[in-house]
Amino acid sequence: EAGVTQFPSHSVIEKGQTVTLRCDPISGHDNLYWYRRVMGKEIKFLLHFVKESKQDESGMPNNRFLAERTGGTYSTLKVQPAELEDSGVYFCASSQWTGDYGYTFGSGTRLTVV
Amino acid sequence: AQKVTQAQTEISVVEKEDVTLDCVYETRDTTYYLFWYKQPPSGELVFLIRRNSFDEQNEISGRYSWNFQKSTSSFNFTITASQVVDSAVYFCALSEGAGGTSYGKLTFGQGTILTVHP
Repeated sequence: EAGVTQFPSHSVIEKGQTVTLRCDPISGHDNLYWYRRVMGKEIKFLLHFVKESKQDESGMPNNRFLAERTGGTYSTLKVQPAELEDSGVYFCASSQWTGDYGYTFGSGTRLTVV
Repeated sequence: AQKVTQAQTEISVVEKEDVTLDCVYETRDTTYYLFWYKQPPSGELVFLIRRNSFDEQNEISGRYSWNFQKSTSSFNFTITASQVVDSAVYFCALSEGAGGTSYGKLTFGQGTILTVHP
């Protein structure tokens, strides 16, 4: 069984540019989560999809961040325009059902905004 | 609001030493779950353990053991006879039980960087 796949693994962009991160969850997992770790700090929840619906987006920092999950399969997280403080590692996780805390996390995308 | 504190930012030990990673949590919920994850150099977060708030039994898995104490709101993780491959960042996390407003999502601590020297 393939795990959670995220790409790119690294991205370096200039302030003001747009970046799109992608997450492919484990096939059949309805729940998909995005988390972010800013340098040296805790990993913070961004949002939660159940299939294609946003169940909880309370962690999204501002309207420069847009997450989608068309068709309930893979998800994208777009940052537009990127700011310096957006730098960090973005993790995606999936699980079969809400409350199934046996999340499987991806390896993350390291975003650097310069 | 929930909070998880890992006061140890970095720990450095020599191989075969025992090491304990501390985790203290805050929650108003009576039903909650506690977790430990390992992040090796490859970057992914690897699930290690989950405990629910009603089960205070300590758990041992090989060289790993966990001490859950509700009285002190702590969920500490001990590695016995540490090895170089244990070097990683370790995260403690907390989540609410069903019915909670944050059900399904994790609140993480800041992480502890463990370095095991040969």
